[in-house]
Amino acid sequence: GENVEQHPSTLSVQEGDSAVIKCTYSDSASNYFPWYKQELGKGPQLIIDIRSNVGEKKDQRIAVTLNKTAKHFSLHITETQPEDSAVYFCAASQGNYQLIWGAGTKLIIKP
Amino acid sequence: GAGVSQSPSNKVTEKGKDVELRCDPISGHTALYWYRQRLGQGLEFLIYFQGNSAPDKSGLPSDRFSAERTGESVSTLTIQRTQQEDSAVYLCASSLAPQNQPQHFGDGTRLSIL
Repeated sequence: GENVEQHPSTLSVQEGDSAVIKCTYSDSASNYFPWYKQELGKGPQLIIDIRSNVGEKKDQRIAVTLNKTAKHFSLHITETQPEDSAVYFCAASQGNYQLIWGAGTKLIIKP
Repeated sequence: GAGVSQSPSNKVTEKGKDVELRCDPISGHTALYWYRQRLGQGLEFLIYFQGNSAPDKSGLPSDRFSAERTGESVSTLTIQRTQQEDSAVYLCASSLAPQNQPQHFGDGTRLSIL
C-alpha cells in the first residue's frame, strides 16, 4: 500500500527566512497531495493542496511543488513569521477517501 | 459556527470505564472520518462514513472501539473498558463527496485515562 515519508521531523528557521518540508510517496497512482497545519490544541487545517495534473501551486507566501517522476512533493514557506510556528503534515490520496499521512514536521520560527 | 464541532473538548476517566465522543460535521458533508493522534505523533485513521454506505472500520484498533453515524449527521465514537493506551486526542473530520476533497477537522477530544 501507499506510504508517505516526511522530512525533517523538526525544522528551525530564522524569522524572515524560507522553510522547506519534503514528502515522498510510494504509489504512483496517488494523485492528490494536501498539506495541513496544526497549531497547539487545534485540529489540522488545510493550507494548500495540489493535484497530479500540475507541478506547482502558490498561495501568497506558501507554495507546493510536485515531482511525479521522483514521487515527491514539497511545501515552501517564504518570509516566515512567528505565526507560522506549528506542526505541518503532508498526505497523499489515490482519488478515494483514504488519505495516507506523513508523520509531521514541527516548524519553529526563531525571532 | 460552520465548522466541525467535537464534544467534550476534554475527558478524564478511570481505566475500565466507557466513554462516548461526539462529532457534529459541517452541514452537507457526506463523508466523516475519525482519527486518533497520540502525543507528538501523526494521525491514525480509525473509521470512515460515507452517506448510507457501510462504514470502513479497518482502522479500529480493537473491538472495544465502535462508532455510529445516523445518515449524514452526528457521529459518536465509543470506547468500552478504556485502557491507559487509549489516552490520545480523537479528531473528527468531514468533507464533501470524498474523491480528493479537503477534510475539515474539529479541534478534537483530549482523552486521558487514569
